[in-house]
Amino acid sequence: NAGVTQTPKFQVLKTGQSMTLQCAQDMNHEYMSWYRQDPGMGLRLIHYSVGAGITDQGEVPNGYNVSRSTTEDFPLRLLSAAPSQTSVYFCASSYSGGRGWSDTGELFFGEGSRLTVL
Amino acid sequence: AQRVTQPEKLLSVFKGAPVELKCNYSYSGSPELFWYVQYSRQRLQLLLRHISRESIKGFTADLNKGETSFHLKKPFAQEEDSAMYYCALYSGNTPLVFGKGTRLSVIA
Repeated sequence: NAGVTQTPKFQVLKTGQSMTLQCAQDMNHEYMSWYRQDPGMGLRLIHYSVGAGITDQGEVPNGYNVSRSTTEDFPLRLLSAAPSQTSVYFCASSYSGGRGWSDTGELFFGEGSRLTVL
Repeated sequence: AQRVTQPEKLLSVFKGAPVELKCNYSYSGSPELFWYVQYSRQRLQLLLRHISRESIKGFTADLNKGETSFHLKKPFAQEEDSAMYYCALYSGNTPLVFGKGTRLSVIA
């Protein structure tokens, strides 16, 4: 049981380049999400999904796209990277709690992906 | 709106001293509160949740609804407690909301 797996762990991009951060989980969790972690800003939610085919925006969605074609995978796409997107990105998953449109509060995190945009 | 405030960005304590990491929240309903921890080079993980009312690694946290607080406490800090700590609020109908985090540094 690998839990939440993120790739790549490190990436350097030039401004304007695109890339996809991969996230996969093997716990059959309905809920998946992406956060970015910046010094002094804490964890900020980018996008989340409560199931295959369903995605929604979080606090800081601009410049990022997501899709959820399977329960297991939730890739995060940077369409045209900007220096402001230099950050550490975390994928997290959870069973779907409450009425099914959020997590349960107990999130399982990946190891993070450190992205630098020059 | 839901909000979690951790007033200290950095907290430094000596080994063996008591630790209190502050967390205040803003929410009109009955939330669940959590503490997450991120040790160096490790992934973020759940430390404890208020409904469990348990002590994990010597840490406890009590939900005070009157003061809307959920402070994390440990009577005697250890060097291995040095980490980034996040307080988080769960309302049940929106994703988990995190505070900005407090970095705890335990000095030998």
